[in-house]
Amino acid sequence: EAQVTQNPRYLITVTGKKLTVTCSQNMNHEYMSWYRQDPGLGLRQIYYSMNVEVTDKGDVPEGYKVSRKEKRNFPLILESPSPNQTSLYFCASSSPGAPLHFGNGTRLTVT
Amino acid sequence: QKEVEQDPGPLSVPEGAIVSLNCTYSNSAFQYFMWYRQYSRKGPELLMYTYSSGNKEDGRFTAQVDKSSKYISLFIRDSQPSDSATYLCAMSAIRGKLIFGQGTELSVKP
Repeated sequence: EAQVTQNPRYLITVTGKKLTVTCSQNMNHEYMSWYRQDPGLGLRQIYYSMNVEVTDKGDVPEGYKVSRKEKRNFPLILESPSPNQTSLYFCASSSPGAPLHFGNGTRLTVT
Repeated sequence: QKEVEQDPGPLSVPEGAIVSLNCTYSNSAFQYFMWYRQYSRKGPELLMYTYSSGNKEDGRFTAQVDKSSKYISLFIRDSQPSDSATYLCAMSAIRGKLIFGQGTELSVKP
């Protein structure tokens, strides 16, 4: 089954404790992206990647890092999480010019 | 002004009603228009995908794009409780970044 898989689905952590949210897709998509979704603000792009070893900032990249060492994986790294990064995070992938396929989300709470 | 404006609702309708969801936008370079449906605790899933102006129909769903007015709509006929979800419009220019509306929360009451 074609899918984008994120882990974990739920995560509660404390301020400053480094964490990684994994994202994997099995559709051989070149393009991958991370979004955060907040009430009243909709989906905002954090980082995206056009292909392996090619990443770029989205609209809200501060406090986040990404890497794209393999085509299928695009982890999101929070080196020192803060409470304002409490949010619902989505990974997405697509072929060039095609609509995005989304994962089922990671709900992160930073206390 | 946001590039894409969408009324967040919530919108509550009785089962069987016709639902109209709308987005306006300001960037005349947008060429690709999408509607995503998002159920609670799930990721958005693509519902409709159109290029440039015109209508597209898929079962009970019709997407309309009016580029002259910078306005897109999604119509749901004979709405069902299973249509209860948040609907997000999204659009992009050729090779451009996808821009999302805020999403409209729809509830269809039996």
